Amino acid sequence: GENVEQHPSTLSVQEGDSAVIKCTYSDSASNYFPWYKQELGKRPQLIIDIRSNVGEKKDQRIAVTLNKTAKHFSLHITETQPEDSAVYFCAASRTSNNNDMRFGAGTRLTVKP
Amino acid sequence: ETGVTQSPTHLIKTRGQQVTLRCSSQSGHNTVSWYQQALGQGPQFIFQYYREEENGRGNFPPRFSGLQFPNYSSELNVNALELDDSALYLCASSLRYSETQYFGPGTRLLVL
Repeated sequence: GENVEQHPSTLSVQEGDSAVIKCTYSDSASNYFPWYKQELGKRPQLIIDIRSNVGEKKDQRIAVTLNKTAKHFSLHITETQPEDSAVYFCAASRTSNNNDMRFGAGTRLTVKP
Repeated sequence: ETGVTQSPTHLIKTRGQQVTLRCSSQSGHNTVSWYQQALGQGPQFIFQYYREEENGRGNFPPRFSGLQFPNYSSELNVNALELDDSALYLCASSLRYSETQYFGPGTRLLVL
C-alpha cells in the first residue's frame, strides 16, 4: 500500500509570514492530492486539492505544488493569520472514488499574533 | 443542502463489547467512507460503501464491518472492542466518481 509522509509535525510562524508544509508519497499511481484543515475538536475541511495533471494550484492565500517525478507535494500559506492555526493533513489517492485515500500524520501550525 | 451528520458524538464502551456508529450523508451524496483517527494522527481509511456494498477496504480486521442503506446513510459496526479502538471515527460522503468528500463531525469512542 501507499505511504504518505508529512513534515514538519509542528510549525510556528509569526503573523504575516509564510508557512510551507511538505508531503511525499510512495505510490506513483497516486493522482489526487487534497489538503485538509482540522481545527481543535472539529471535522477535517478540504481547503485545496490538486490532480496529477496539474503542477500548481492557487486559491487566494493558499497554494499547492506537485512534483510527480519526485513524488512530493507542498502546501503554501502566505500572509498567515491567527485563524490559520490548526492541524493540516495532506492525503493521496489513486482512484477517483477515494477508496484508498492515505493521510499524512498532520502538521500543527501555530500563527503567533 | 444538509451536511454530513454522525451519531452519537461520544461513546464509552468496555473491552469486548460491540458498538454501532451512524452517519447520514450530505444531501444527494451516494458514497460514504469511514475513517479512524487516533489521537495525534491522520485519519486512516477503514472502508467505503456505494450502492449498499463495500467498495474498497483499508487495513482493518473483519470485526470492523459496515452497512449502507437505500437513503445512503451508513453504519460502522465494531465487534470485540479493543483498547486500541479508542479513536475519533469520521465518516465522509461524496458523489460517485467525485474526488471531493465532506467529513462529518465524528464520533469519539473510548474503550476502557
